[in-house]
Amino acid sequence: ETGVTQTPRHLVMGMTNKKSLKCEQHLGHNAMYWYKQSAKKPLELMFVYSLEERVENNSVPSRFSPECPNSSHLFLHLHTLQPEDSALYLCASSQGVTGTEAFFGQGTRLTVV
Amino acid sequence: AQSVTQLDSQVPVFEEAPVELRCNYSSSVSVYLFWYVQYPNQGLQLLLKYLSGSTLVKGINGFEAEFNKSQTSFHLRKPSVHISDTAEYFCAVTMNTGNQFYFGTGTSLTVIP
Repeated sequence: ETGVTQTPRHLVMGMTNKKSLKCEQHLGHNAMYWYKQSAKKPLELMFVYSLEERVENNSVPSRFSPECPNSSHLFLHLHTLQPEDSALYLCASSQGVTGTEAFFGQGTRLTVV
Repeated sequence: AQSVTQLDSQVPVFEEAPVELRCNYSSSVSVYLFWYVQYPNQGLQLLLKYLSGSTLVKGINGFEAEFNKSQTSFHLRKPSVHISDTAEYFCAVTMNTGNQFYFGTGTSLTVIP
């Protein structure tokens, strides 16, 4: 139990589907992150929510839409994805203070068919 | 801009032998440094971190790392590896002015019996 829980663990979706990934943290942190992990590439930071302010990577396509209703919950809404979006999506949280580490969930393995 | 380079994508090593996983970073500001481990189908788990003070830091599972500011390096070492150390290892940095983490591409450590 890492304190950061992601659901579902595995997801297969078609290119026309709409789905959402969920992340919940029980650590009292005030910053949450979405990362994309593809084979042989650095972890790609997609979105950061810190103290309810969103920071995003401008290279993330608009077919990915984050939502952070409160400091404990984070969603990633997916629509009209492409096969190259297949990857492991990791959620993380941190205290939001410089120098504190990030705690990761176990990830959602997404396959787009 | 910040970047992290892990020069070795794969490192095979025999059981009970020593290992060093290399990490170099570039940044125009002071940074904090981290090593994470990822076991198959899992999220990332913190091994150790350097914030300030002694340049030699000790982490979990017998790992240690040394911060070298002049060489901008933060290499991870273990004097004697076990089969259970087989995993993917990621070096990461965060600036002293923010809470965004930048990761390397990872090093796959395989311990051979």
